[in-house]
Amino acid sequence: DVKVTQSSRYLVKRTGEKVFLECVQDMDHENMFWYRQDPGLGLRLIYFSYDVKMKEKGDIPEGYSVSREKKERFSLILESASTNQTSMYLCASSSPGSSTGELFFGEGSRLTVL
Amino acid sequence: GEDVEQSLFLSVREGDSSVINCTYTDSSSTYLYWYKQEPGAGLQLLTYIFSNMDMKQDQRLTVLLNKKDKHLSLRIADTQTGDSAIYFCAESPGSYGNNRLAFGKGNQVVVIP
Repeated sequence: DVKVTQSSRYLVKRTGEKVFLECVQDMDHENMFWYRQDPGLGLRLIYFSYDVKMKEKGDIPEGYSVSREKKERFSLILESASTNQTSMYLCASSSPGSSTGELFFGEGSRLTVL
Repeated sequence: GEDVEQSLFLSVREGDSSVINCTYTDSSSTYLYWYKQEPGAGLQLLTYIFSNMDMKQDQRLTVLLNKKDKHLSLRIADTQTGDSAIYFCAESPGSYGNNRLAFGKGNQVVVIP
């Protein structure tokens, strides 16, 4: 069964802490994405990557950075967490060779910043 | 980013049909998608339609595409309690390329037994 795995389902952090959200996919996909999901706002793209060591800003990159050292792993980093970063974070992956462009999602990481 | 519009909430009785609507912005989108998010889970692709089609039927699901109005709808026949979820439409704008999708805000469907 193909999978996108997010290492933490629930996290509680304090303001100013550095936070790492990890995502691993086992489908050998080149493309990986980080979204945040907020009620009434839907999914908003934070960062994405089309290849190892490559990253591009999405629609709301401020306050975030990412790392893609290996093809299967895409990490989202909050350098100094703030309360407005309390949200559900979703990782996704896809293959550029896919005929439909389908994204495969992880189950999400719910982050609360106090 | 691109703007994909959806209404937010729908309640429907079990056994009835439910219809969710969406408008998208980019006429060059090759595919339009419907994703389903069950409680506590990530999104899963439910169905999709190629942009040169008007309609696609997949068991209880019917997708209608009106390219002129950039309108996409999803009809679920004989709605069941397992259909309670948030439904997102998404497009693949030509300006984005490479599998980057633009999602709507989602429509929460609550099925009443």
